[in-house]
Amino acid sequence: SQTIHQWPATLVQPVGSPLSLECTVEGTSNPNLYWYRQAAGRGLQLLFYSVGIGQISSEVPQNLSASRPQDRQFILSSKKLLLSDSGFYLCAWSTSALGGYTFGSGTRLTVV
Amino acid sequence: AQSVTQLGSHVSVSEGALVLLRCNYSSSVPPYLFWYVQYPNQGLQLLLKYTSAATLVKGINGFEAEFKKSETSFHLTKPSAHMSDAAEYFCAVSSYNTDKLIFGTGTRLQVFP
Repeated sequence: SQTIHQWPATLVQPVGSPLSLECTVEGTSNPNLYWYRQAAGRGLQLLFYSVGIGQISSEVPQNLSASRPQDRQFILSSKKLLLSDSGFYLCAWSTSALGGYTFGSGTRLTVV
Repeated sequence: AQSVTQLGSHVSVSEGALVLLRCNYSSSVPPYLFWYVQYPNQGLQLLLKYTSAATLVKGINGFEAEFKKSETSFHLTKPSAHMSDAAEYFCAVSSYNTDKLIFGTGTRLQVFP
């Protein structure tokens, strides 16, 4: 069956520290992969998406970057976290427009 | 370009009452439409989807939605609310010519006993 793993579930990091969030998908090949952020009381903001290994599209300029080193692995990174990077980060995958997205369980990031 | 508007960021109903969450879309091509539910500190879960088959779509947990092209709407309904329905609900749109889902800003549903 198809599953998506996202970790860690929660993370508290000091301002200026680096960040690495990982997302892996099982049971499917060549998925489209997405990183979203939810700030408190706000909707979903698409940060990055990827249609293949090494192919990353950024939706908004920010302090974050993404990489896809393997077909089913998507990593969200930052060299130096800002307070404004706090939020709930969600990874998702899809294989067609008909199917919609399947979401991971999310990572709650608090930058202090 | 596609877009989704969810009217009402907060909706409150009593347990047993009708749930109606509104979603209007804009799309220059035939849309695919989705409703997702998000419980606190969890990811989004697909409730139901419309992909150009039957206009009345039934989903999980007793929810359903009707695609009305003339009104460009895809409202989510449930005849009788349960306390466990309290969550945030997102409407989303895509189409055959894009891999991206465009999400609405979400509606938080509160259910009172």
